[in-house]
Amino acid sequence: QKEVEQNSGPLSVPEGAIASLNCTYSDRGSQSFFWYRQYSGKSPELIMSIYSNGDKEDGRFTAQLNKASQYVSLLIRDSQPSDSATYLCAVIFGLLYNTDKLIFGTGTRLQVFP
Amino acid sequence: ETGVTQTPRHLVMGMTNKKSLKCEQHLGHNAMYWYKQSAKKPLELMFVYSLEERVENNSVPSRFSPECPNSSHLFLHLHTLQPEDSALYLCASSPVATNEKLFFGSGTQLSVL
Repeated sequence: QKEVEQNSGPLSVPEGAIASLNCTYSDRGSQSFFWYRQYSGKSPELIMSIYSNGDKEDGRFTAQLNKASQYVSLLIRDSQPSDSATYLCAVIFGLLYNTDKLIFGTGTRLQVFP
Repeated sequence: ETGVTQTPRHLVMGMTNKKSLKCEQHLGHNAMYWYKQSAKKPLELMFVYSLEERVENNSVPSRFSPECPNSSHLFLHLHTLQPEDSALYLCASSPVATNEKLFFGSGTQLSVL
């Protein structure tokens, strides 16, 4: 099992729709979760962090966390073509390693078409 | 300048060459990182420095040699690389070395011939 698993996509959604990006992780003891956005040819940029079960909203972005199911998601409302990018899920693993370790998924490529 | 800057943006080198990647952060952070990003693979952490002290070395081959002369500068010295080392090398910084809230540089796209 991959440590942080994401569907590689591409996920194609029409402009104005809700894009839903999903991520599962293998370390039950994880407490810190992050979403990074990476445009083609650019470096990753942190867009959301979440630490508690439930939803966290920031503008058009909502992160959702369910630790019991080891599942974290990112919703993008009113998707825009400028949201087209690869979204990386990252989780700090605490139990499986001697020290806290940030593990990235391979990312989901999102395409928003006009 | 602001943020994290990396040079060069692109590098082509032969397997016998020696080159260095440079990273500078202007954020006042105490931790700096080197990551490797290959196609279809997750970002791989290579090295972590906290206040110029190496705190993590993820079983990286010795042909990659990091150097952190101060908390604002980080180098990655390369020698006798292999073609499979071709990748995007990203530098990042964070306020403290807890791996949280990384700020990435624009990366060096490395090709080893």
